[in-house]
Amino acid sequence: GDSVTQMEGPVTLSEEAFLTINCTYTATGYPSLFWYVQYPGEGLQLLLKATKADDKGSNKGFEATYRKETTSFHLEKGSVQVSDSAVYFCALSGGNTDKLIFGTGTRLQVFP
Amino acid sequence: DTGVSQNPRHKITKRGQNVTFRCDPISEHNRLYWYRQTLGQGPEFLTYFQNEAQLEKSRLLSDRFSAERPKGSFSTLEIQRTEQGDSAMYLCASSSRTSGDTQYFGPGTRLTVL
Repeated sequence: GDSVTQMEGPVTLSEEAFLTINCTYTATGYPSLFWYVQYPGEGLQLLLKATKADDKGSNKGFEATYRKETTSFHLEKGSVQVSDSAVYFCALSGGNTDKLIFGTGTRLQVFP
Repeated sequence: DTGVSQNPRHKITKRGQNVTFRCDPISEHNRLYWYRQTLGQGPEFLTYFQNEAQLEKSRLLSDRFSAERPKGSFSTLEIQRTEQGDSAMYLCASSSRTSGDTQYFGPGTRLTVL
């Protein structure tokens, strides 16, 4: 069945460092891809999405490009801030119901 | 847009008791989803409604679990004869074609079964 694999955390960075969180997927057909973020004590929020190959989703300085050839959707940010500390989930959806299939999440910790 | 709301936010119960959770989706959203999230894991799909029709149920949803959306608005998730393994965060999300099929999540109900 469809699945999402993302790098294990925690990822620990200093402020202003470059961030990459890897995400690869297995799916039949052409899923939509998402990054959701969960800040401490808060609910899941959509960070960005891409619905077809070569699309780039972007928001709040984060970017991810839908790479069909490598089945990947890696999350990047050029300069992280302490306020970016959170758990990041890669997810896909497809088929008739659009249910989301999530990865296990990657915790990001950014220190001043 | 008041967002997706869930009640209660926390529930502590003893093993064997029944519990019911409520989800109020964003008002114009016709699709409603339930997920379960355990510590250190991503959310796992449980069930899905389009309007009042329950169109898909995960194999994770045992016979002790039942969900309803009687008028196509709010939804309830009931767990009968709770077990310690049911302890988790139960998340509700809603979407519609006009939202670009993006699912918006509520804050969740944290269930602890003693």
